[in-house]
Amino acid sequence: QSVLTQPPSASGTPGQRVTIPCSGSRSNIGTNTVNWYQQLPGTAPKLLIYSSNQRPSGVPDRFSGSKSGTSASLAISGLQSEDEADYYCAAWDNSLNGRVVFGGGTKVTV
Amino acid sequence: QVQLVQSGAEVKKSGASVEVSCKASGYTFTTSPIHWVRQAPGQGLEWMGIINPSDGSTRYAQNLQGRVIMISDSSTSTVYMELSSLTSEDTAVYYCARDAPGITPWGQGTLVTVSS
Repeated sequence: QSVLTQPPSASGTPGQRVTIPCSGSRSNIGTNTVNWYQQLPGTAPKLLIYSSNQRPSGVPDRFSGSKSGTSASLAISGLQSEDEADYYCAAWDNSLNGRVVFGGGTKVTV
Repeated sequence: QVQLVQSGAEVKKSGASVEVSCKASGYTFTTSPIHWVRQAPGQGLEWMGIINPSDGSTRYAQNLQGRVIMISDSSTSTVYMELSSLTSEDTAVYYCARDAPGITPWGQGTLVTVSS
């Protein structure tokens, strides 16, 4: 059971917009920023969004993040076939002496 | 460029210990903490802990306390993660990753297989 809650799957056709929600609590998303990771099959995760809405250099602007209260979301606009991957949200959690908590992951199918 | 290179795959018996190394390059080693994250087959990401190479301080996931040790060696820019009393539930890919804004980049992963 993951501390952050994501739907297990999402899908869309090429060019569509897909949104992945991530629900937490006051001790994690409610207090700290959210990061999003993309994991392509058989590869290590890659940072997609940091500080809730910032894109690292090289990440297409089709990817955007937002946060409100104890929830966050990742949006992928102009969906492309290469976006088919697992997506994880994560945040610091202030409980238990501090830890990083992850969502269970959302498999996006194009 | 910033890079983390991990040691190779391991096969261990139940009850044994495993050590995975993670060599950093492309930045000043002591300026960024290193996370360890693992992923069981077909499962999601699980945070194991973090080490700060500047002073060796650590913070471990509560469910691994007493079984995990993380150390850093500034002379070789390498961090090590040792996990003891292995069971089949520890079979996973183990990743090290740098703490920047966000966790990035990630090492290539080390598969640890625990057999009885």
